[in-house]
Amino acid sequence: GESVGLHLPTLSVQEGDNSIINCAYSNSASDYFIWYKQESGKGPQFIIDIRSNMDKRQGQRVTVLLNKTVKHLSLQIAATQPGDSAVYFCAENEDNDMRFGAGTRLTVKP
Amino acid sequence: DAEITQSPRHKITETGRQVTLACHQTWNHNNMFWYRQDLGHGLRLIHYSYGVQDTNKGEVSDGYSVSRSNTEDLPLTLESAASSQTSVYFCASSQATGGLEQFFGPGTRLTVL
Repeated sequence: GESVGLHLPTLSVQEGDNSIINCAYSNSASDYFIWYKQESGKGPQFIIDIRSNMDKRQGQRVTVLLNKTVKHLSLQIAATQPGDSAVYFCAENEDNDMRFGAGTRLTVKP
Repeated sequence: DAEITQSPRHKITETGRQVTLACHQTWNHNNMFWYRQDLGHGLRLIHYSYGVQDTNKGEVSDGYSVSRSNTEDLPLTLESAASSQTSVYFCASSQATGGLEQFFGPGTRLTVL
């Protein structure tokens, strides 16, 4: 999961395995959530989003799950590839106020 | 292709100097944002704008200002740079209000000595 601190949580997976990155959000009134990917030296890049009236959304090789009961968001990446190595962070929005998590560093081992 | 650019990509300045970071987007988005990113922290909102002549303070606005004279540009000015403002700065834009996807620029790494 994500936390605020000097060191990012890390996840190391083998190439070809599935990855699950978690995010605990704080605002029960948040109505929109986004997952971003940020590679070293680059700006964040949109991966997938989900609205609060949904509990699952699928994209290409990625799935986002939303559990509003426990305020938990997860990003699943299928068949993880070396190019997926990056920092992933979630963002929650309520009334045009977007808040970002610190992120999780995903490392893919060949 | 539409894009969002930032300049300079790297900047070193001295304490007390005024610094302006440029952000330019060609999506014709109404909304533009400035964030700073520090190790171990999520992106923190500095200022934002919902249209020409509109500017608003974000979570960490002290020591920063913005102006919006046209749709494409939202320059960020540090009035008197401080070492605490050493950070990576990201500009973003989005199409409309309601929390829609924000598109980010490549970032500017600012060092204040």
